[in-house]
Amino acid sequence: QKEVEQNSGPLSVPEGAIASLNCTYSDRGSQSFFWYRQYSGKSPELIMFIYSNGDKEDGRFTAQLNKASQYVSLLIRDSQPSDSATYLCAVWGGKLIFGQGTELSVKP
Amino acid sequence: EPEVTQTPSHQVTQMGQEVILRCVPISNHLYFYWYRQILGQKVEFLVSFYNNEISEKSEIFDDQFSVERPDGSNFTLKIRSTKLEDSAMYFCASSGEQDQPQHFGDGTRLSIL
Repeated sequence: QKEVEQNSGPLSVPEGAIASLNCTYSDRGSQSFFWYRQYSGKSPELIMFIYSNGDKEDGRFTAQLNKASQYVSLLIRDSQPSDSATYLCAVWGGKLIFGQGTELSVKP
Repeated sequence: EPEVTQTPSHQVTQMGQEVILRCVPISNHLYFYWYRQILGQKVEFLVSFYNNEISEKSEIFDDQFSVERPDGSNFTLKIRSTKLEDSAMYFCASSGEQDQPQHFGDGTRLSIL
């Protein structure tokens, strides 16, 4: 059974701080990794995707991948109250497998 | 920006009835998916569809469920003889390639009474 694990949170950070969200996965053969943001009652919205080891930056978001350790992380710089949401880590292994999500709360 | 559209946004159905959830994937995408999310739980894969056939399905996707692409734009999920535990948000998604980012529709909230 392929698993994707995330801390459910809530993770609380002050406005302007860096939020760090982590995810581990069980299938060593996984090649594609995605971060989605989900506001309450809404659908998952793609934030970042990463395929290669290392860092990938897009605006305030940085995805980090370490295949040897089987973890992927998402950093959000200059966190804003509008970033408050649940962040879903998803791993492609023939199908998209989601973690349970980490709830992020950014306090003004 | 192209988007995946789903209808209806909310469906209320009596237990035992059949429901059809509809999706229009992004026009140049070739891979289509259905997911469900029970309230408070994780997003779960149901089925993937490519080239007019199912390419993979989960253990949830039993004989009660079926998918169809009746024309060049629509992609439907049919649930026969609905049960209370089928109550969930159902999301349709599409992607251009198999392991490429999937884009989700707004979902259909299915409530079984």
